[in-house]
Amino acid sequence: DQQVKQNSPSLSVQEGRISILNCDYTNSMFDYFLWYKKYPAEGPTFLISISSIKDKNEDGRFTVFLNKSAKHLSLHIVPSQPGDSAVYFCAASAEGGSEKLVFGKGTKLTVNP
Amino acid sequence: NAGVTQTPKFQVLKTGQSMTLQCAQDMNHNSMYWYRQDPGMGLRLIYYSASEGTTDKGEVPNGYNVSRLNKREFSLRLESAAPSQTSVYFCASSELFQLYYSGNTIYFGEGSWLTVV
Repeated sequence: DQQVKQNSPSLSVQEGRISILNCDYTNSMFDYFLWYKKYPAEGPTFLISISSIKDKNEDGRFTVFLNKSAKHLSLHIVPSQPGDSAVYFCAASAEGGSEKLVFGKGTKLTVNP
Repeated sequence: NAGVTQTPKFQVLKTGQSMTLQCAQDMNHNSMYWYRQDPGMGLRLIYYSASEGTTDKGEVPNGYNVSRLNKREFSLRLESAAPSQTSVYFCASSELFQLYYSGNTIYFGEGSWLTVV
């Protein structure tokens, strides 16, 4: 049973526009959420995180929104750049423990020049 | 600053062979992890070590063993490789085990591509 779902395997946007990547979760115990970016043949790199006491966190062009009632979070990238083309993984942790970090299957973002 | 280094990067094994994936981190992190990623799947935790001297099973531990050699190094051993273990393996580390309270994250190595034929 998938606890963290990224229902869009891929997303294509134009350079300069907004990219919105979505993630849904089923476990109400999740209290910490992270987004990772992964380029081919490289390991995932951390992008941004949010704890359950917040509903928004910003870092430069990246903003994560958390809707606890809907068990939904999204990553907004504004403006999108070709270098943002990568696979994005959503991850969630229950009780803050790293051994309980659950990853989604990823969304491949392509930003077209 | 190397971060998390894992070797080898590529390996082909025959069914039944054994091998060890090596991992070292230079960030003085307490916790270390081994994940595997299969096509179309998210990362799944194989084993972890919350601190030096401890190891625990993750979501998919069968067919693997680990050793936390010291604070820096965490190895993953396949005793008798099977085709189902064909995957990309990622070693990772974090400063603290509790991510929430530290605002922490996990740092990954570049991956090891393992094929079992």
